[in-house]
Amino acid sequence: DAGVIQSPRHEVTEMGQEVTLRCKPISGHDYLFWYRQTMMRGLELLIYFNNNVPIDDSGMPEDRFSAKMPNASFSTLKIQPSEPRDSAVYFCASSPHLGQGASQPQHFGDGTRLSIL
Amino acid sequence: QKEVEQDPGPLSVPEGAIVSLNCTYSNSAFQYFMWYRQYSRKGPELLMYTYSSGNKEDGRFTAQVDKSSKYISLFIRDSQPSDSATYLCAMSRSGGYQKVTFGTGTKLQVIP
Repeated sequence: DAGVIQSPRHEVTEMGQEVTLRCKPISGHDYLFWYRQTMMRGLELLIYFNNNVPIDDSGMPEDRFSAKMPNASFSTLKIQPSEPRDSAVYFCASSPHLGQGASQPQHFGDGTRLSIL
Repeated sequence: QKEVEQDPGPLSVPEGAIVSLNCTYSNSAFQYFMWYRQYSRKGPELLMYTYSSGNKEDGRFTAQVDKSSKYISLFIRDSQPSDSATYLCAMSRSGGYQKVTFGTGTKLQVIP
């Protein structure tokens, strides 16, 4: 089965440019998550969706960040305008819907390594 | 103070050694405890999870949870060079979907 697919794998752009990261979750998974990983702060949850609806965006650092999920098989994370401090690895993950009280393992993509110059 | 604390390492051990990886946490509401393994330039993958206290074994891996001390461990027996990776602990509350809080990860290197 195909896992979570992210694109691009690497992105290098100049400060002030718009950046769009893309994610295709595993088919049938109800939850989609966007994370940011840095050495200093580790893996931080930015936002998550349930059945394409944003549920919790409290981790989105600023209004420059936005995320959408127009359908069950596609999501985007956009940064506009980008800044050097946004440089990090951005991961998308998806999780199936499980019964009450069950664990909810997340399946991660291989990430987008973003560098803002 | 972070909710989950994890020593970043790096931890270097010879092949065949027993490895002990640990996390402490502050939120007593956490009920699910997970370990993810992350190879270089890859996403984290779930290795093991446990619910509440106790031990769980899977092959060479054993996960332990001590809720009274707010301390979790992952033991790797007969470590192999292929175990070289970053190990992240993660935890969440129970009841419907709950946000997962990750540790910053411990980098492990197993030397042949």
